[in-house]
Order: sequence, then C-alpha cells, then structure tokens
Amino acid sequence: AQSVTQLDSQVPVFEEAPVELRCNYSSSVSVYLFWYVQYPNQGLQLLLKYLSGSTLVKGINGFEAEFNKSQTSFHLRKPSVHISDTAEYFCAVSAYAGNNRKLIWGLGTSLAVNP
Amino acid sequence: GAVVSQHPSWVICKSGTSVKIECRSLDFQATTMFWYRQFPKQSLMLMATSNEGSKATYEQGVEKDKFLINHASLTLSTLTVTSAHPEDSSFYICSARDLWDREGNTEAFFGQGTRLTVV
Repeated sequence: AQSVTQLDSQVPVFEEAPVELRCNYSSSVSVYLFWYVQYPNQGLQLLLKYLSGSTLVKGINGFEAEFNKSQTSFHLRKPSVHISDTAEYFCAVSAYAGNNRKLIWGLGTSLAVNP
Repeated sequence: GAVVSQHPSWVICKSGTSVKIECRSLDFQATTMFWYRQFPKQSLMLMATSNEGSKATYEQGVEKDKFLINHASLTLSTLTVTSAHPEDSSFYICSARDLWDREGNTEAFFGQGTRLTVV
C-alpha cells in the first residue's frame, strides 16, 4: 500500500533563509505527487504537483519541488522564506483505490518563519 | 483558479441535533467530491468519496448512518452529521475533482473548511 512520510513535524526558520521540507513516499506503481499548504482555520491550497516530465516542478509563492524516483522523494524547497509562509504543509501521493483515485496524505510539517 | 465554496465556515450546535455542511464547486463541474475530517495539528482523514448520482463510498471505520453524504448534482455535495455529539467536534473539509481534469483525475480544489463544535 502507498504511504507518505514527512520527516519533519516542525521546521523553524528565520525570515529570508532557505527551507526544505522533506517528503518520502512508498509506491510500487507510477505516482502523482503533490504539496498543499494550509493556513490556520482554512482549507488546503495546491502549491505544486508532479505528474510527469521534468522532475523539477515550480509552484506558487516561489516554491519548487524535485521528484527523485530512485530515492522516492519529493522534497519542497524555497530559497528565501517570508513571514507569510508560516503554515502547515502537506505532501500527498495520488493512488487508485477501487474505481476512484484518492490522495494519501503525509502527517504534515508545520513551518514557522521567525523575524 | 477553480473555486470550491464550503458553507458554513463554522457552526455550533447542541448535542443530539443534526448539522448539514454544503460543498459547492462554483465554476466547474465535479463528478467526485471528497470529505475529510481533520483533528487539531493532524493530517486529513478521508471520510468518504462522493460520486454524483450514486451512493458515497465510506472509508473503513466511518459510520455512514451518522455522516450522511448526498451528491445530487455536479456542483453540490452535502455532509450531514446526524445526532451530533461532542466527539464529532472537528474541522471538516471537502474537495472536488474537475470533470474535465485530464491531467490525472486528481482532486486539487479544496473548500475552506467547516469548524463544527458540538456542545
């Protein structure tokens, strides 16, 4: 069965510093990978996704992620973070379950950007 | 981008009453919608998958008679928490899959969530 592991539950970082949020997945078949952001008391917003093609994916708000098949990883990066990036970040893999494709979620990483 | 509207954003109800939460896709048609429950500081737990015009598929451990899901049209799905109890208090989130998404049939659009408090 597919699973998603987010290696860090909390990541504190100073403003304008680079950040990497780690995500590993397990799957025996081709996967689609996603990163979502959740601000307090809000729903989720798609940051970026990997479906096929270039392994480096660029998303919104200056985030990017690199798909590494050999290491089964899909780490999220941003070269310079802002206070407004403080949020919960979720990595997910898309998999079929019966007739429906659904998302398997990681437990989330809480990014805290400090001034 | 596509918009999913979830209503209400928060609700307080008395124990034993029922609460209905609506999830609407505003500018696209959604054949499939997903209902999640999220506990504080935790990830999303998929409750059920809702397909337009058919019965919802519930995840293991989710009581279908307690969490009634109706997906009567391509733009609306509802979740009704029946005979609510304090332990049902949680953050409920819906998401919708665009009918015309040809990039992988993956959900990408989420509602803003509903904070349910049962007193």
